[in-house]
Amino acid sequence: DADVTQTPRNRITKTGKRIMLECSQTKGHDRMYWYRQDPGLGLRLIYYSFDVKDINKGEISDGYSVSRQAQAKFSLSLESAIPNQTALYFCATSMFGQPQHFGDGTRLSIL
Amino acid sequence: AQKITQTQPGMFVQEKEAVTLDCTYDTSDPSYGLFWYKQPSSGEMIFLIYQGSYDQQNATEGRYSLNFQKARKSANLVISASQLGDSAMYFCAMRERTNTGNQFYFGTGTSLTVIP
Repeated sequence: DADVTQTPRNRITKTGKRIMLECSQTKGHDRMYWYRQDPGLGLRLIYYSFDVKDINKGEISDGYSVSRQAQAKFSLSLESAIPNQTALYFCATSMFGQPQHFGDGTRLSIL
Repeated sequence: AQKITQTQPGMFVQEKEAVTLDCTYDTSDPSYGLFWYKQPSSGEMIFLIYQGSYDQQNATEGRYSLNFQKARKSANLVISASQLGDSAMYFCAMRERTNTGNQFYFGTGTSLTVIP
């Protein structure tokens, strides 16, 4: 089983819909992150959380919200999806000072 | 200014040869971390190597080494004895502390193709 699991792996939806991407981990890490990847732009940080009661905005948080339901779960929501949020989304986890470990990604297409 | 700059969109290397992927960074935080990740065509992100700003020696992990030149703010990845399976996108990343906490930045990546 993967240490960092993202669901769904692929999603196609329409403009204006609410979407939730979920991430769960079995690594026991306290820190969790959401990134998006766009061609030619690399990965950009959306939100991160250092523990259940800690939520921080990243570089590009507008249009997104997150929820840290438990140490092992961190979900990303798009309240009203728009086409320019079409991207590959990654969840990652880490411990303090350690590298991040990534899930396999969620391909999101918004029509 | 860009936090992480990778100036090589694409690189080619002959199998069994060594290749260097460039990365420069910009930070005023004295305690930062530098990372390299590999992204094969299947899409997953694979951690390769880490260098802390206070580390005296260059990091090495098997065929991967990080050429850390602190004064020049460069953290180039060296892959020795390239293999066909090394063909992938490679991303340089940095962790720095800010007033609002830690931030992480990724470069735009370098596409490496290993030629048989």
